[in-house]
This record gives sequence, structure tokens and C-alpha cells, in this order.
Amino acid sequence: EAEVAQSPRYKITEKSQAVAFWCDPISGHATLYWYRQILGQGPELLVQFQDESVVDDSQLPKDRFSAERLKGVDSTLKIQPAELGDSAMYLCASSPVSHNEQFFGPGTRLTVL
Amino acid sequence: GENVEQHPSTLSVQEGDSAVIKCTYSDSASNYFPWYKQELGKGPQLIIDIRSNVGEKKDQRIAVTLNKTAKHFSLHITETQPEDSAVYFCAAGNRDDKIIFGKGTRLHILP
Repeated sequence: EAEVAQSPRYKITEKSQAVAFWCDPISGHATLYWYRQILGQGPELLVQFQDESVVDDSQLPKDRFSAERLKGVDSTLKIQPAELGDSAMYLCASSPVSHNEQFFGPGTRLTVL
Repeated sequence: GENVEQHPSTLSVQEGDSAVIKCTYSDSASNYFPWYKQELGKGPQLIIDIRSNVGEKKDQRIAVTLNKTAKHFSLHITETQPEDSAVYFCAAGNRDDKIIFGKGTRLHILP
């Protein structure tokens, strides 16, 4: 069964350092999402891509966060510089075109010290 | 924008009993209502979903009901088993392909 892949699974970094997360969606899924999930809460959308274009990044803290999906397949989310409040699970999800159903990857657990 | 409220935040039920989790939403344009199960250290997994043209959907021990007039929907798990212990999230979505999640319900199945 096809799955969304994410790496790394865990990342520990010090504040002010740069971190990057990678996501490979299910093959053929045009829509890709990055979510942030703080412990004890539901996922919150950071950015949504349709192919290589950003559809919604209204909740992305653009002073420190960036996301790209250059060839419309895999995607990278970067944080620079990381802050203590960025500690969370970062989830990637993908969806077929014009379809609500989203499939999630295992996530990257970020700890900022 | 859409707001999804989920209750209860924690639920403990005896193994074999039923569990019910309830959600309300605010945006009348929402037409897609998925439920996700998240186990410790893993990403959310879609377990069932319902669209606004349907009032009820069932898949083995899991069922979801939707009341569009009242803007609420519920997840029902019957004959609960130890492996049902997890955090469950409801969500509501619209034609923009976005979904908004509730805060989650931690379900404990007691032996």
C-alpha cells in the first residue's frame, strides 16, 4: 500500500540553528500539505501545495519558515532560525486532485533546546 | 473561518462497551467530515469519513452520523477492543480541499 514518506523521524536541534524536513507524497497525488501538531492538539495547516504552486501559506510564519515543492513531487520544509516554541510534530499529507481525503506520513518530531 | 469543537477530551470505556465522540462545526459550507485515529508517535490515519449528502455511514465496528441542520457529527465505536486505545480527531472540510481538525479525544479502553 502506498504511503507518505517523511524524514527524519526525529530531530533535536539548538535554538537559532536551521532545520529541514523532507516529504515524499503518494505517487500521483497533486496536493501536498504540511501541518504542525503541538502535543495534545490537532494538526494545524502550515502550507498547501497544488503541484508546485503554493495554494495557501497564510498560517506559515514566513519570517523563519519556508517550503518548496520544486518539481511538484517531493517537498521540503525549512525553519531558520529555530526557536524553542517550534518544538512539535511536523506532519506531511497528500491528496489526489480535487479530493478531500488526506493521507498522512509518520511525521517528524522536532525538539528545540 | 471554520471552527471545530470536539468532546470529550478524554474518554475511558470498559472493553466491549461502546464509545461515542461528538463534534460540532461552524461553517455551513463544510461538506466533508473525516475521522482520524492517531497512535503514539505516528501520523493520523483516516478511519472513516462522511460527506454532507449522507446522514450515516458504517464500517464494521465504526459508524459516523451527521446532522447538517445542527452542524454536528459523531463517531461511534462498538464492541471496543484494546487496540482501539488512541487519540481520535474529527475534522471538517470544504471545496477548497482544506480540513480543520478538532483538538482530539484520548480514548482509553479499560480491561
